[in-house]
Amino acid sequence: GAVVSQHPSRVICKSGTSVKIECRSLDFQATTMFWYRQFPKQSLMLMATSNEGSKATYEQGVEKDKFLINHASLTLSTLTVTSAHPEDSSFYICSARKGRGVFQPQHFGDGTRLSIL
Amino acid sequence: EDQVTQSPEALRLQEGESSSLNCSYTVSGLRGLFWYRQDPGKGPEFLFTLYSAGEEKEKERLKATLTKKESFLHITAPKPEDSATYLCAVHRRMDSSYKLIFGSGTRLLVRP
Repeated sequence: GAVVSQHPSRVICKSGTSVKIECRSLDFQATTMFWYRQFPKQSLMLMATSNEGSKATYEQGVEKDKFLINHASLTLSTLTVTSAHPEDSSFYICSARKGRGVFQPQHFGDGTRLSIL
Repeated sequence: EDQVTQSPEALRLQEGESSSLNCSYTVSGLRGLFWYRQDPGKGPEFLFTLYSAGEEKEKERLKATLTKKESFLHITAPKPEDSATYLCAVHRRMDSSYKLIFGSGTRLLVRP
């Protein structure tokens, strides 16, 4: 069964709206979660690493003020797309490592399809 | 530069027609090669992890193998429900941490 839950699965909203996406680890604690973005027929691109109790680490080219990440508990990370515009429309996916160790496999949520009108 | 290359980009098979997907990688110090399956509109589903050359893993009709330069995902007697995009990924060391980098995937279509 699923080990990572992501909500909502789809969002359609007007330009200028802020959108929050939740990512939960279901039966384990995740001190680190990851946020990816995927464009049609392309692979996953890491946006940021979410660290419980500390600031997120953003990849080069990702705007920190645009994509706000909060990892307030060991089972929940949130990504807020602030003042979203049509160019922010994409498929956003989160992941978490279930086991201990940096090289354990990541398990992914089912993604959030964001459409900005 | 560390990178992952998958081939073919797309593959069409008849049901029962076995084949292999390729994942070539260049990375300094492999820390695991991962195979995922992704269905349209869904997140990737974890399939296998391979850590050292010569290692093999199997799950139903899928078998993953690893050499020092590449990994193969063998699909034996595929069924239409095996249709999906298959992604491979490796860890790349960046600054003081490791990040997962993905290949572009192979889109598999199995016809009944």
